[in-house]
Amino acid sequence: DIQMTQSPSTLSASVGDRVTITCRASQTISTWLAWYQRKPGKAPNLLIHRASTLEGGVPSRFSGSGSGTEFTLTITSLQPDDFATYYCQQYNSFPWTFGQGTKVEIK
Amino acid sequence: QLQLRESGPGLVKPSETLSLTCTVSGGSISSSNYYWGWIRQPPGKGLEWIGSIFYSGATFYNPSLKNRATISVDTSKTQFSLKVNSVTAADTAVYYCARRGAHGYNPFDYWGQGTLVTVSS
Repeated sequence: DIQMTQSPSTLSASVGDRVTITCRASQTISTWLAWYQRKPGKAPNLLIHRASTLEGGVPSRFSGSGSGTEFTLTITSLQPDDFATYYCQQYNSFPWTFGQGTKVEIK
Repeated sequence: QLQLRESGPGLVKPSETLSLTCTVSGGSISSSNYYWGWIRQPPGKGLEWIGSIFYSGATFYNPSLKNRATISVDTSKTQFSLKVNSVTAADTAVYYCARRGAHGYNPFDYWGQGTLVTVSS
């Protein structure tokens, strides 16, 4: 199985901060990577697919980059609605696997 | 807007069978364009894909479940279901149902809110 490692596991930030989350794959996955946002009691929300393609309706302050084994999710100006847990997922190889999550907390 | 909702018992005894249903509304479960799947997250751990099903009934599973999981679909009720047999405390998790595209490489684009299942006597 491809292991997905996210860092950091927790991130404390303030409104307006630039935030970067890293996701590393244990083997190359091209750009078959998605990012999700999850809030307590709500369905996870697909933010980005194909490593850098924003889903419709996702604010432009979110962006993704990377290919191969290293990927990043960046939020350019953190907003109150962005405090949540973020997950990466590879869909290059079966079985599909996820990172452990990064919780973005209010500083 | 497509919506998925999980339902089922929140408490299951060890060695018994966990059974959950996902009801799909706002879209067709019979489309040849999508797979319907289950994902879980044990407390303090990451997300784990369990398996997926096509409207025709074709399935594929994560080998980590060691053949304990079975997914089925009822297109007349726009539902698909998950059964996990011989459960232990390690199967305690929030269980999500989700959709992914069937052709090519696709992420899970719609998810349910999740339902907590606790395995305990």
